[in-house]
Formats: sequence, structure tokens, C-alpha cells
Amino acid sequence: QKEVEQNSGPLSVPEGAIASLNCTYSDRGSQSFFWYRQYSGKSPELIMFIYSNGDKEDGRFTAQLNKASQYVSLLIRDSQPSDSATYLCAVRGRGDTGRRALTFGSGTRLQVQP
Amino acid sequence: DAGVTQSPTHLIKTRGQHVTLRCSPISGHKSVSWYQQVLGQGPQFIFQYYEKEERGRGNFPDRFSARQFPNYSSELNVNALLLGDSALYLCASSLGDWGANTGELFFGEGSRLTVL
Repeated sequence: QKEVEQNSGPLSVPEGAIASLNCTYSDRGSQSFFWYRQYSGKSPELIMFIYSNGDKEDGRFTAQLNKASQYVSLLIRDSQPSDSATYLCAVRGRGDTGRRALTFGSGTRLQVQP
Repeated sequence: DAGVTQSPTHLIKTRGQHVTLRCSPISGHKSVSWYQQVLGQGPQFIFQYYEKEERGRGNFPDRFSARQFPNYSSELNVNALLLGDSALYLCASSLGDWGANTGELFFGEGSRLTVL
């Protein structure tokens, strides 16, 4: 079982729709959770982070965390073609130093159709 | 403000050679991490340094080494290159150390290494 799992996609949504990206993680001791966006050929860019159960909103983006289910999601409202990218979920554990590094999923490719 | 800068941006090496990749963190950031990203995969943790000390090491062979300098810049060295080392090498800086819950990493544009 991978430590951080994401559906590779592509997830295709029409412009203006809500895109829902999902991530599950295996380490129940994980403490903090991050969403990065990566355009093709570019480096990852931090979108949001969340530490506590529940929802966290920032503009068109909402991160949702459910630690009991070991599940993190990212909702993108009013999706735009410029949102087309790969979205990486990353998890930070606790304990020894190796676990506190960010562990990334393989990413979900999002395509927003004009 | 300058972000994380990495050099070189692209390089081609042959098997068995050695490579040195360089990184300058965001001004004021004392922590540097290195990640390897193979095409189609997420970044994989290699090293983290804070205040010139190694704070974490991922599951990579001893051919990989790194160091951090007094000005907080960092080098990643890879010896005896293999074809499988071909990847995008990402440097990320952050404000705090492992213990601080400021887990936000800010990535540079990466060094794309091709091993022939």
C-alpha cells in the first residue's frame, strides 16, 4: 500500500464546475497535509495546507480533512482552464526525522475544458 | 524577493559520472530540503538540512550526499550516476525546522538531470 494515494486521472471538468480531488494516506500519525499544484515542466507550488479536521477555505479552494477516515480532499470552485495542472497531495508524519519529511502522492491530473 | 534558485537548470551526464546541484533558499529561510521527482511520480524526499545540520534522510543510497553552507545555500552530490538517476531534482526551502509546524515548502524550478 502506498503511503499517499491519489487517482492519477485525468479528471476532466467543464469550465465553471467544481473539481473534487481526493487523497488517502496510510500513516494514522500524520499531522499536517498539503496541496501543491504543478504545471507541466514546472515545480510544485503550494496551494493550501490543513492541520485540523474539517474544512479550510481560501478563495476558490477548500481543503477538507478527515483524520478518522485518513482522507484529504481539495475542492476547486468555478474551475478555470488555467487550473489545468497536476495536483499533488503531501503528508507530514511525526516521530523520527524520516517520517517528518513530506510524503507526496503521485498526483491527479486535472483538465478544465473551456 | 528572490525565490528558491537552483543551478544548473538542465544537465546531461553519462553513467558513472558525478554531479553537483546547487540551491539558494529564500532569504531568511534556514531549512533546505532536496527531493527527486521521476516523470509521472510525486517528489520523493532525499535530504533535509537545518542550520547546516542534516535533519532527515530519505531512502536513497550512499551515492547521494548533501551539505548546507553557512549562508544556508546547499549542494546535492550524486556519485556513480545510474540511468535511473534521471529525474527532476527539486530544492525546497522553509522557515522552520522539523519541530515547527510550519511545514510549507517553497520549491525552486529544479535541475533536470539526464543520465545517458
